[in-house]
Amino acid sequence: RKEVEQDPGPFNVPEGATVAFNCTYSNSASQSFFWYRQDCRKEPKLLMSVYSSGNEDGRFTAQLNRASQYISLLIRDSKLSDSATYLCVVGGTSGTYKYIFGTGTRLKVLA
Amino acid sequence: GAVVSQHPSWVICKSGTSVKIECRSLDFQATTMFWYRQFPKQSLMLMATSNEGSKATYEQGVEKDKFLINHASLTLSTLTVTSAHPEDSSFYICSAKAPSYNEQFFGPGTRLTVL
Repeated sequence: RKEVEQDPGPFNVPEGATVAFNCTYSNSASQSFFWYRQDCRKEPKLLMSVYSSGNEDGRFTAQLNRASQYISLLIRDSKLSDSATYLCVVGGTSGTYKYIFGTGTRLKVLA
Repeated sequence: GAVVSQHPSWVICKSGTSVKIECRSLDFQATTMFWYRQFPKQSLMLMATSNEGSKATYEQGVEKDKFLINHASLTLSTLTVTSAHPEDSSFYICSAKAPSYNEQFFGPGTRLTVL
């Protein structure tokens, strides 16, 4: 079983749609959780950290469920510019700062 | 703030040559730097963790004699791919972490093509 699992997609959605991505992780000792965005042939960029209480940043909402070892990202009112690969990242296991990346979920927002 | 640069951004070399990639934290001191590799349509895979002034810690399956890492200062880490072969062609990305930050900051990556 992979340490961090994501549905690779692609998710093709029309502009304005709401789309949700899920991610599961296997190590219950993980301490930090993030969603990164990666555009084609570019480095990943931090979208948001994920907390147990849930957090929202504009059109983006992230949730963490430690009991189920599950992370989610909700994007509302999708824009064309949201088209990218979204990477679920888990870190802080065993007292290290190492990140484990999921394979990413591809999103394509259609006009 | 928290900018990380990499050089070169791309490199093409012949099989058997060695290639050095630099990773610099431009506006903060990075006590820890990480080196990742990403093959097409795959996710980033951590290769090694580099701590300033000490030996790098390599992930399982990564040959330390092939991928030489040096973290000689708080703002610079280098990855040298020795005797590169076509299967080493990949996107190499570094990241840096400062004690005051809870996250890693990524460089723009280096695309290596070995002919």
